[in-house]
Amino acid sequence: EPEVTQTPSHQVTQMGQEVILRCVPISNHLYFYWYRQILGQKVEFLVSFYNNEISEKSEIFDDQFSVERPDGSNFTLKIRSTKLEDSAMYFCASSDEQGLGGYTFGSGTRLTVV
Amino acid sequence: SQQGEEDPQALSIQEGENATMNCSYKTSINNLQWYRQNSGRGLVHLILIRSNEREKHSGRLRVTLDTSKKSSSLLITASRAADTASYFCATVGSSNTGKLIFGQGTTLQVKP
Repeated sequence: EPEVTQTPSHQVTQMGQEVILRCVPISNHLYFYWYRQILGQKVEFLVSFYNNEISEKSEIFDDQFSVERPDGSNFTLKIRSTKLEDSAMYFCASSDEQGLGGYTFGSGTRLTVV
Repeated sequence: SQQGEEDPQALSIQEGENATMNCSYKTSINNLQWYRQNSGRGLVHLILIRSNEREKHSGRLRVTLDTSKKSSSLLITASRAADTASYFCATVGSSNTGKLIFGQGTTLQVKP
């Protein structure tokens, strides 16, 4: 069964450093998303991406965050200057229909900012 | 606004018993989805129910939706130890921007 692949599975970074989280969505999917889950809390929407541009972003997704689809397969989330409160599990997801079908999530990247 | 609040927060049952989890939401929806998350792992899509549907089945899963009460329930019948996980409801709003809004989740423990 097709999977969404995320790398790395775990990243530790110093506060203030830039991190890039990588995702390979399912190849025929057109809609891409990033979510995060702070330990013990609910999964929160960050951003949706379609046709090479951001469709929607949440209040969390401020100027420190950016997304990119640098080639036909990868979808990346960059945090320019990490803060302690950015520590969370970050999930990438993709879908072939906007909101009308189930989403396929990756296994996540656990980001720890120290 | 908060959306997709679930209860109970935690549920512990014996293998073979049924497990029922409830979800409430506040705004109008296009559809509601249920996901499972094993500890520290990704989210797995279980089932989707559209706003014009009232009940849906998939294997041992039964989902109901009451749009007048803005609530949904997930029933897992004949539970197994492997069903131990957290279960989340998530809604897609009626404007269908594609954004999923998740609830806090129900942690289910099925004892062998």
